[in-house]
Amino acid sequence: AQSVTQPDIHITVSEGASLELRCNYSYGATPYLFWYVQSPGQGLQLLLKYFSGDTLVQGIKGFEAEFKRSQSSFNLRKPSVHWSDAAEYFCAVGAFTGNQFYFGTGTSLTVIP
Amino acid sequence: DVKVTQSSRYLVKRTGEKVFLECVQDMDHENMFWYRQDPGLGLRLIYFSYDVKMKEKGDIPEGYSVSREKKERFSLILESASTNQTSMYLCASTGISIYEQYFGPGTRLTVT
Repeated sequence: AQSVTQPDIHITVSEGASLELRCNYSYGATPYLFWYVQSPGQGLQLLLKYFSGDTLVQGIKGFEAEFKRSQSSFNLRKPSVHWSDAAEYFCAVGAFTGNQFYFGTGTSLTVIP
Repeated sequence: DVKVTQSSRYLVKRTGEKVFLECVQDMDHENMFWYRQDPGLGLRLIYFSYDVKMKEKGDIPEGYSVSREKKERFSLILESASTNQTSMYLCASTGISIYEQYFGPGTRLTVT
């Protein structure tokens, strides 16, 4: 069965520190992978996506993610976190047909000064 | 820019009321989705629609129904609202060849 696991429910980092949010997936075919961010009281905004090709993908707001097929992982990284990055982050897997998506339970990020 | 709008940001309803949540997208997307979001549970799919008048149940369809009479509009209906349907409801859309989902701002529904 398809599933997405985000093992960290909550992470706290200091402003300026590096960040890595973990995501593992289980999917029968080649996955399409996404990271979304949700600010408080808002909908989800796409940060980045992976379909094929280069396994290191760049996204908006200085985020990047690396697809590792051997580990079934798609971890999100940022070299230097800003206070405005405090939000909830969701990893998702999608099917090529565009009508099947599976979301992780989210990681809440707190940034301390 | 793709725009997905939801009719209300906040809604308070009484137990037993019939509730309509409306979602409109302006990019001629084929697929539309309704999710509910609860703390610790992430996003759970209620229903999705891949064409006008077509619908498929998601993971938690009980207590909900949907309507898609026009391509751009997808409605979620709570036939008789209950307190356990208090939640954030998110609408999303995507095209057949456009793989990422575009989300609306969400409707926070409180049932008292």
